[in-house]
Amino acid sequence: DGGITQSPKYLFRKEGQNVTLSCEQNLNHDAMYWYRQDPGQGLRLIYYSQIVNDFQKGDIAEGYSVSREKKESFPLTVTSAQKNPTAFYLCASSTPTDGSYEQYFGPGTRLTVT
Amino acid sequence: GQNIDQPTEMTATEGAIVQINCTYQTSGFNGLFWYQQHAGEAPTFLSYNVLDGLEEKGRFSSFLRRSKGYSYLLLKELQMKDSASYLCAVPFSGGYQKVTFGIGTKLQVIP
Repeated sequence: DGGITQSPKYLFRKEGQNVTLSCEQNLNHDAMYWYRQDPGQGLRLIYYSQIVNDFQKGDIAEGYSVSREKKESFPLTVTSAQKNPTAFYLCASSTPTDGSYEQYFGPGTRLTVT
Repeated sequence: GQNIDQPTEMTATEGAIVQINCTYQTSGFNGLFWYQQHAGEAPTFLSYNVLDGLEEKGRFSSFLRRSKGYSYLLLKELQMKDSASYLCAVPFSGGYQKVTFGIGTKLQVIP
């Protein structure tokens, strides 16, 4: 079955530590995205990548970094520079289908930093 | 820029019909998405409208009126499992694959 996997589902870290969230897709989609979701807020775009070895900052990229060395993988690193890292992180991918760019989401990683 | 407005919460009764509205402002229109998101889970695709009118898909229908910057999601024969957040989303104009999401409308279905 094709899909997007994110691991782990829950992640706990101490303040000051960097942490990397994984995202893998086998849908053969070109574009991949990272969103952050906080209670009472919508999905906010952190980074996105349209092709391998290329990515762009979204609306809230500060304190985060990404890489896109393979089409299937788009890991997100939450650095110690991110002031409020505790959140629900969602990875997504998309490809044009009948003119739309429906986004397929992974199950998410809930990160708690204390 | 892009701006999306939708109510934050709604309550409806099992078996009833509910309409969730979404208004948007965008410099160029490339369609409108509706997603469903259960608490703690990932959003799942419900519909995509690019032309004016109503598109029906089972118990769910989505309506678009581009000239008004307006869409709604209609849920019929409500079931308890329909309790979820419903996200309205609009693709960026020119940035063909970026999408702006609304805050989401949290729907509670009561017996």
